[in-house]
Amino acid sequence: GAVVSQHPSWVICKSGTSVKIECRSLDFQATTMFWYRQFPKQSLMLMATSNEGSKATYEQGVEKDKFLINHASLTLSTLTVTSAHPEDSSFYICSAPRDWTNSPLHFGNGTRLTVT
Amino acid sequence: AQSVSQHNHHVILSEAASLELGCNYSYGGTVNLFWYVQYPGQHLQLLLKYFSGDPLVKGIKGFEAEFIKSKFSFNLRKPSVQWSDTAEYFCAVTSPDKLIFGTGTRLQVFP
Repeated sequence: GAVVSQHPSWVICKSGTSVKIECRSLDFQATTMFWYRQFPKQSLMLMATSNEGSKATYEQGVEKDKFLINHASLTLSTLTVTSAHPEDSSFYICSAPRDWTNSPLHFGNGTRLTVT
Repeated sequence: AQSVSQHNHHVILSEAASLELGCNYSYGGTVNLFWYVQYPGQHLQLLLKYFSGDPLVKGIKGFEAEFIKSKFSFNLRKPSVQWSDTAEYFCAVTSPDKLIFGTGTRLQVFP
């Protein structure tokens, strides 16, 4: 079964509003979670690394104030798209490693965001 | 900056043909390497991974990949593809503490 749960699966919002996406590790603690974005017919692009108890690390070109990340606990990280615009419409995926040495990342099923 | 390159953007094959998808990375340190697959309408799934040991890695569904350190490559292979292998394939590398994806290769297999 799924070990990383992402919610919601899809969301439609109006321009200017904010949307929160949750990523939960179900049966393990994740001090680190990753947030990716996938444009249509393109690869995943790492947006930021979410660190429990500290600030997220953002990749170059990703607006920190627009994509707010909060890693509130060892099982939950949230991504909030603030003041959403149509160009933010995309597929957002979170992932978390159970541990780096013995297992790869586990992915959530993703969130399809459509901004109208 | 570290990067991952997948040379084949779109591959079209007939069933039973052999497959090889290229993947090269630029990071010079110790790496962990992955191949993921995304079937239409589904989320990413792990095909295989390499951490250490035998550089020839066998994964699910008959896929295998070979890590060639001197060439910074981790090519994916399958001797005989099936229609159900139609999907998007992503190579990924840990670099060093985050996962970097290649641009993906779209594979279409025709009966």
